[in-house]
Amino acid sequence: DIQMTQSPSSLSASVGDRVTITCRASQSISSYLNWYQQKPGKAPKLLIYAASSLQSGVPSRFSGSGSGTDFTLTISSLQPEDFATYYCQQSYPPGHFTFGPGTKVDIK
Amino acid sequence: QVQLQESGPGLVKPSQTLSLTCTVSGGSISSGSYYWSWIRQPAGKGLEWIGRIYTSGSTNYNPSLKSRVTISVDTSKNQFSLKLSSVTAADTAVYYCARGPYSKGAFDIWGQGTMVTVSS
Repeated sequence: DIQMTQSPSSLSASVGDRVTITCRASQSISSYLNWYQQKPGKAPKLLIYAASSLQSGVPSRFSGSGSGTDFTLTISSLQPEDFATYYCQQSYPPGHFTFGPGTKVDIK
Repeated sequence: QVQLQESGPGLVKPSQTLSLTCTVSGGSISSGSYYWSWIRQPAGKGLEWIGRIYTSGSTNYNPSLKSRVTISVDTSKNQFSLKLSSVTAADTAVYYCARGPYSKGAFDIWGQGTMVTVSS
């Protein structure tokens, strides 16, 4: 089974900061990597699919990159509504889905 | 706009079967190229994919849960369902249903989630 790791597990940042979260797969998953944002008591929200494609309606300050085993989610300028937990999720091979452990972004 | 809503008992006894239903509104479960999934999240922990179903009835399950999981679909009711047998306290979690477009390998629409507690 493909294992996913994320770093850091948590971070503190200020409004306006550039934030980068890393996700690593235990073996190559090509670009089968998605990113979600989850706020307390709410369902996750899809931000990025296929490593770098922005989901409709998601602000352009969110971007994704990477392929193979190493991926990043970047928030170019952190906004108050972005304080949340972020999860990566892989979908390789088709029909297999695994989530990373999450990265909590809170206010410095 | 498509919406998903989970329903089912909030309390299940150990060793019994957990049963949940996800009702799709705002669109037909059979239209478009989608799969329909169940995902769970224990309190304070991460997300675990349980399984998915196509409207053809074809399924994929998480290997760690496969022996206890059955997902089914009822297109006439615009619903799909989860059954998880022989539950223990470790199955206590918020259970989400979600839609996944074939082309994305992701989950683009989620239900609000329903809390299920396994306790006697």
